[in-house]
Amino acid sequence: DAGITQSPRHKVTETGTPVTLRCHQTENHRYMYWYRQDPGHGLRLIHYSYGVKDTDKGEVSDGYSVSRSKTEDFLLTLESATSSQTSVYFCAISDERGGTTKTQYFGPGTRLLVL
Amino acid sequence: GQQLNQSPQSMFIQEGEDVSMNCTSSSIFNTWLWYKQDPGEGPVLLIALYKAGELTSNGRLTAQFGITRKDSFLNISASIPSDVGIYFCAGRGRTGGGADGLTFGKGTHLIIQP
Repeated sequence: DAGITQSPRHKVTETGTPVTLRCHQTENHRYMYWYRQDPGHGLRLIHYSYGVKDTDKGEVSDGYSVSRSKTEDFLLTLESATSSQTSVYFCAISDERGGTTKTQYFGPGTRLLVL
Repeated sequence: GQQLNQSPQSMFIQEGEDVSMNCTSSSIFNTWLWYKQDPGEGPVLLIALYKAGELTSNGRLTAQFGITRKDSFLNISASIPSDVGIYFCAGRGRTGGGADGLTFGKGTHLIIQP
């Protein structure tokens, strides 16, 4: 299994509070991603990173920000959590070395409930 | 954005039966991936496909990358109880680099009746 951990694994918070989720990898992979998973929508990309300090928006980036100050960590921040951000959040990593390794490996997920 | 249509949405089958599910898109994809997700866990990669027409097996699983690059299927032969879960197809549409995120289908929920 790819070395990806997410913390916390579960969190309950109140509307309007800031929340930060952490993804940590031990694979030294260049690319990291944040997805959210909701019933009826499947997995949707929030933000991704293609290197330290290099990030870009995904399909559903509104209300989220990210930071990557070192290769192994990718942080997802909800500046002011809303109930619509209640979801399961997954981090993924990938590496392009070898030319054909265009696959992504997922972490165990973080369940976030915004009350 | 790009959309993937995955079918069927759910399947109720008997143990030992073969399973087939597929994904179609109106857009061309350059990579097709199939994942399985168990409750409370992240998706786990089953098979990766990189070329149009490619047919790849992983044990009892077989997947193909459609010639048009707009579809893919996954077959599971002789299903067993541990095959229960949600199967997702995913595609990546741009060439080069790994930065782009994947587009996911909405999943096929496989339920096996003993």
